[in-house]
Amino acid sequence: QSVLTQPPSVSGAPGQRVTISCTGSSSNIGAGYDVHWYQQLPGTAPKLLIYGNSNRPSGVPDRFSGSKSGTSASLAITGLQAEDEADYYCQSYDSSLGSVVFGGGTKLTVL
Amino acid sequence: QVQLVQSGAEVKKPGASVKVSCKASGYTFTSYGISWVRQAPGQGLEWMGWISAYNGNTNYAQKLQGRVTMTTDTSTSTAYMELRSLRSDDTAVYYCARDRNRRFGGFGPDAFDIWGQGTMVTVSS
Repeated sequence: QSVLTQPPSVSGAPGQRVTISCTGSSSNIGAGYDVHWYQQLPGTAPKLLIYGNSNRPSGVPDRFSGSKSGTSASLAITGLQAEDEADYYCQSYDSSLGSVVFGGGTKLTVL
Repeated sequence: QVQLVQSGAEVKKPGASVKVSCKASGYTFTSYGISWVRQAPGQGLEWMGWISAYNGNTNYAQKLQGRVTMTTDTSTSTAYMELRSLRSDDTAVYYCARDRNRRFGGFGPDAFDIWGQGTMVTVSS
């Protein structure tokens, strides 16, 4: 069981918008710790997609956006493309565990 | 360019130890911390711990305390992760990853902006 909860899978047609949720608690996201998002293509290392809740590293398309509210965070992807098909992970810090924590991951399928 | 290059795949027997290396290039090694993250086959990401490349301070995940040791060699800009008393459930791809922000000494929550390519460690009798 992951400390941060993500839906196992989401799907959408090309051009559509999808969102992936990341639900935590008062000891992690709710305590004010930043949420970061990663994209992992099959057989490759994770890639930083969003840092500090809503910031995009250089080179990440503005189709990707992040938000945070209360004990949850969300990743939104607009204008879905076939190349977006991947696993997505959220990450934060948990003060009770004294540890970096990840969500269980969400598999995005582009129909 | 900024990159982390890891050592090759390993096959170990239960009870043995493994040491994975992560060589940094393209940036000032001692200015950033390095975390180790592992991923069992078909599973999610698990943070193992962090080391300061500045002074060697470490912060290990509770689950692995006593079995894991992280070190650095600043002369070669290389970070190492050693895991002892290996079990079958340690079979995973092991990644090193760099803190996004410069950090000198103390651990602090951060995003990981550069990742190594991963090292497959298989534990099997």
